[in-house]
Amino acid sequence: QVQLQESGPGLVRPSETLSLTCTVSGGSITNHYLSWIRQPPGKGLEWIGNIYYTGDTNYSPSLMSRVTISAGTSKNQFSLKLSSVSAADTALYFCAREVRDYYDSRGRGQFSYFFDYWGQGALVTVSS
Amino acid sequence: QSALTQPRSVSGSPGQSVTISCTGTSRDVGAYNYVSWFQQLPGKAPKLMIYDVNKRPSGVPDRFSGSKSGNTASLTISGLQAEDEAEYFCCSYAGSYTFYVFGTATQVTVL
Repeated sequence: QVQLQESGPGLVRPSETLSLTCTVSGGSITNHYLSWIRQPPGKGLEWIGNIYYTGDTNYSPSLMSRVTISAGTSKNQFSLKLSSVSAADTALYFCAREVRDYYDSRGRGQFSYFFDYWGQGALVTVSS
Repeated sequence: QSALTQPRSVSGSPGQSVTISCTGTSRDVGAYNYVSWFQQLPGKAPKLMIYDVNKRPSGVPDRFSGSKSGNTASLTISGLQAEDEAEYFCCSYAGSYTFYVFGTATQVTVL
């Protein structure tokens, strides 16, 4: 069973950099994109960006200037850095594994975009 | 990116059916058959229930079904059970610039 676990400081000062790590266990990240997604209190989910196992990245246009997603120090880890944070960045941060292709029940290759596994989320509060 | 619109809550008695709508635009739900649905219990990781509009992952009961018409996708839970009480949200691919948009989430209550 694939599991993802977010970790990192729960409190970040305004204007500083938020840093989180996602550790994937029980399954491969090869051939998968891995995403960061956040949910501010009382609000909906927002996709932040993703990274392919080769290091290729994509970012949300609204956060692109402040976000960096990179491979972690260990093979099954990846990290999120969000700079110049403010109270608006207070949120529950999730990591999730994406599926882009799979074989259906008839053995045919299919192309898709969905998240098959998520972490439980890490609450990060931005406050002085 | 604009969120997909879902009803805040739906409810039903055990054995009944409930349907949750997920309304987007011609740039996301209407443009791609890449709508997925998730079940989320408090403090737990979201669980994939439906992908590619109407496909069920292994292990998801067949009382969960998905469909799409135009810019609106739907999740139907038939034969509602107490264990189905949870929050549900949808997600749609929205192209290679925005990538993903999410629904506003719906609380399903089993009366």
